[in-house]
Amino acid sequence: AQTVTQSQPEMSVQEAETVTLSCTYDTSESDYYLFWYKQPPSRQMILVIRQEAYKQQNATENRFSVNFQKAAKSFSLKISDSQLGDAAMYFCAYNNNDMRFGAGTRLTVKP
Amino acid sequence: GAVVSQHPSWVICKSGTSVKIECRSLDFQATTMFWYRQFPKQSLMLMATSNEGSKATYEQGVEKDKFLINHASLTLSTLTVTSAHPEDSSFYICSASTRREQFFGPGTRLTVL
Repeated sequence: AQTVTQSQPEMSVQEAETVTLSCTYDTSESDYYLFWYKQPPSRQMILVIRQEAYKQQNATENRFSVNFQKAAKSFSLKISDSQLGDAAMYFCAYNNNDMRFGAGTRLTVKP
Repeated sequence: GAVVSQHPSWVICKSGTSVKIECRSLDFQATTMFWYRQFPKQSLMLMATSNEGSKATYEQGVEKDKFLINHASLTLSTLTVTSAHPEDSSFYICSASTRREQFFGPGTRLTVL
């Protein structure tokens, strides 16, 4: 079974600074997708970034980028120039045929 | 991106009654939908995979007779919580899936008194 681990229950960052959220996963598959989702207080799940496992290049979406280490089964999210609106729960997820989520990291952004 | 709706967004019911939650994919056909439950300050836990035209696949520990899932069309899946009890109070989220991405509904908050 696939498992996703987020070892940081809470993280805090100063506005305009950079923060990295950690995620590791376990799978025996070679072809899969990895995601970071943001869940604000509204509880709507918002896709932040997606990485295809067959791609070596790390995905980037504006201020959000990942460090994907397939051999180490690591998938961290870097948020640059943090903004107050980035404050939320962040979930790492693994998807092959169904999606599995990590426990989440609550990110606080200090003004 | 694709839009998934859920109805109702919030429901309160008495213990022992049944509640139906609808999940619709509004702009694409979803052969597979997923139902998740999220307790306060916890992650999303997969309850079941809903397959159009066939029986749902339930995760271990989820009672299929209590959480009835019907995926009658390519755009609609329903979750019925039968004989609801206070411990069933939770936030229920559905998603419609392609392999590359899941599109999440806004969720339904169920409170059982």
